[in-house]
Amino acid sequence: SQQGEEDPQALSIQEGENATMNCSYKTSINNLQWYRQNSGRGLVHLILIRSNEREKHSGRLRVTLDTSKKSSSLLITASRAADTASYFCATDGAGYSTLTFGKGTMLLVSP
Amino acid sequence: GAGVSQSPSNKVTEKGKDVELRCDPISGHTALYWYRQSLGQGLEFLIYFQGNSAPDKSGLPSDRFSAERTGGSVSTLTIQRTQQEDSAVYLCASSEPGRPEAFFGQGTRLTVV
Repeated sequence: SQQGEEDPQALSIQEGENATMNCSYKTSINNLQWYRQNSGRGLVHLILIRSNEREKHSGRLRVTLDTSKKSSSLLITASRAADTASYFCATDGAGYSTLTFGKGTMLLVSP
Repeated sequence: GAGVSQSPSNKVTEKGKDVELRCDPISGHTALYWYRQSLGQGLEFLIYFQGNSAPDKSGLPSDRFSAERTGGSVSTLTIQRTQQEDSAVYLCASSEPGRPEAFFGQGTRLTVV
């Protein structure tokens, strides 16, 4: 089964609001990454957090990682209509050599 | 520099035909991944190549699916005797040695009619 599971499946907010998405995973990881996908095509890497890190920031993005709960959250602050996309978490770790993706959260930001 | 290139962008094929999907990774990237994404779904892992190591084929859904990576660069995903359930977007990604961040191509949308 897939390693990561995001929730909510869909999120609808207004411009200027913050958006929070969560990801849970099942086994030990080396890293956790978040990706964005527009229009069902290629994914773009947003941010990576290592297993020994608890929080990381990049611009309007804030990622947290709780390895004891096997969960991560992605916060997008002051959202814009252009943030409308699907967001996926991906993990890699001991015991498996590839990136495993969750099912994603569809974010809709209305003007 | 050039990103990951996939061809064709779109492919419509008749049920039962074979198809080949191509992926040109970023130069110097040793890892190459193939994923499949059905409409509105997450990414399903298919196969992973890392340098000269034996590929991880654990995600290939049936023996109709195969992939090669020639010279450590270009990869071809072949689907034999296509079925309607093979319709999906096939995504390729590559990454640098020792770095987990993956760079994706724009995918090939396969439609089996």
